[in-house]
Amino acid sequence: AQRVTQPEKLLSVFKGAPVELKCNYSYSGSPELFWYVQYSRQRLQLLLRHISRESIKGFTADLNKGETSFHLKKPFAQEEDSAMYYCALGDSGAGSYQLTFGKGTKLSVIP
Amino acid sequence: SQTIHQWPATLVQPVGSPLSLECTVEGTSNPNLYWYRQAAGRGLQLLFYSVGIGQISSEVPQNLSASRPQDRQFILSSKKLLLSDSGFYLCAWDRQAPLEAFFGQGTRLTVV
Repeated sequence: AQRVTQPEKLLSVFKGAPVELKCNYSYSGSPELFWYVQYSRQRLQLLLRHISRESIKGFTADLNKGETSFHLKKPFAQEEDSAMYYCALGDSGAGSYQLTFGKGTKLSVIP
Repeated sequence: SQTIHQWPATLVQPVGSPLSLECTVEGTSNPNLYWYRQAAGRGLQLLFYSVGIGQISSEVPQNLSASRPQDRQFILSSKKLLLSDSGFYLCAWDRQAPLEAFFGQGTRLTVV
């Protein structure tokens, strides 16, 4: 069965410091991985997906199949990055697309 | 463009009372629909998903049920609420290409 692990419930960093939100997964097939973000009083929304290899709001995430990881990184944290971050694994089998989410990491950027 | 509506935003219900949360999607047809519960320290838990009218799959045994009476309507229900049903409930639909899930604003349910 697929599983997503986010080991940190809360991560606090100072503004301008580097950020790394950890995510490890367990999946027998070829994974599709995502990071979702929920800012205060806003909807949960997609931040980035691994297949796009994109940088969104300065965040990047590289899929490491050897380490089964998909850590989210940003070189210089900003106050507006404070939010709840969820790593998710997509399973597109059985006719529907199901996301398995991690427990989430709350990022707090200290001014 | 597609939108998803979920209501009510907040709800306080006594133990033993019934529950009905509604979710509707606009701008797409035959979407896959999902109900999640978000609990502090437990992340997002998939409760139900539906690939079509009348087709409901349950991921976890619980006091809740779901129904899909129309193509773009998904309802979360309970006949008798328990204290443990309190939480934040999210409805979602997904787009297949590229894969992405879209979430409603959520419903904060407090059972008292």
